[in-house]
Amino acid sequence: DAKTTQPPSMDCAEGRAANLPCNHSTISGNEYVYWYRQIHSQGPQYIIHGLKNNETNEMASLIITEDRKSSTLILPHATLRDTAVYYCIVRGNAGGTSYGKLTFGQGTILTVHP
Amino acid sequence: SAVISQKPSRDICQRGTSLTIQCQVDSQVTMMFWYRQQPGQSLTLIATANQGSEATYESGFVIDKFPISRPNLTFSTLTVSNMSPEDSSIYLCSVEIAGKNTGELFFGEGSRLTVL
Repeated sequence: DAKTTQPPSMDCAEGRAANLPCNHSTISGNEYVYWYRQIHSQGPQYIIHGLKNNETNEMASLIITEDRKSSTLILPHATLRDTAVYYCIVRGNAGGTSYGKLTFGQGTILTVHP
Repeated sequence: SAVISQKPSRDICQRGTSLTIQCQVDSQVTMMFWYRQQPGQSLTLIATANQGSEATYESGFVIDKFPISRPNLTFSTLTVSNMSPEDSSIYLCSVEIAGKNTGELFFGEGSRLTVL
């Protein structure tokens, strides 16, 4: 799986949009971009994923550049509860009915402050 | 979604002993994984738990130290053998749900082990 590069930490004011960048310049054509977050003392939580089109769900939006070498996770209105470590993960399709394992990097510590 | 129950949620163990962690899922799953998270670190994959056969271990992890069983689709155990203080970590079970086809993995809350 391709490696990803994320800033180690970011700050955001409550109510503002949080934009978390991720570089994955070695991504291959069949690899997806996944985002997870881990709130303190909890297991990681899935946020969103995409292949090449931008995606949006109730939690966030994912913007993937046209060359697919980078992406941005957007939390449109950050709250204090969004303070967490955010992981950007590139992952291929393992084939069959499974997408296979996730390999976590160091992630970005997002701190949302009042 | 899926409810993943891990037991124990935490434990304090003596050096040289072994502890078995259980993972029970309330849904049919295709894949089960075991991760370790050392203090202040990211998650590291230990192995893929295969139903009815030996687990597939990642580099740096061996069966003698981390034996894994998966007798059916919804249950797995991870044993941490002959523990030392360096094994003090959170151990997390993760699953991919059958039929969901998004690649999303669900995680348990983890089992926090402290080895004295």
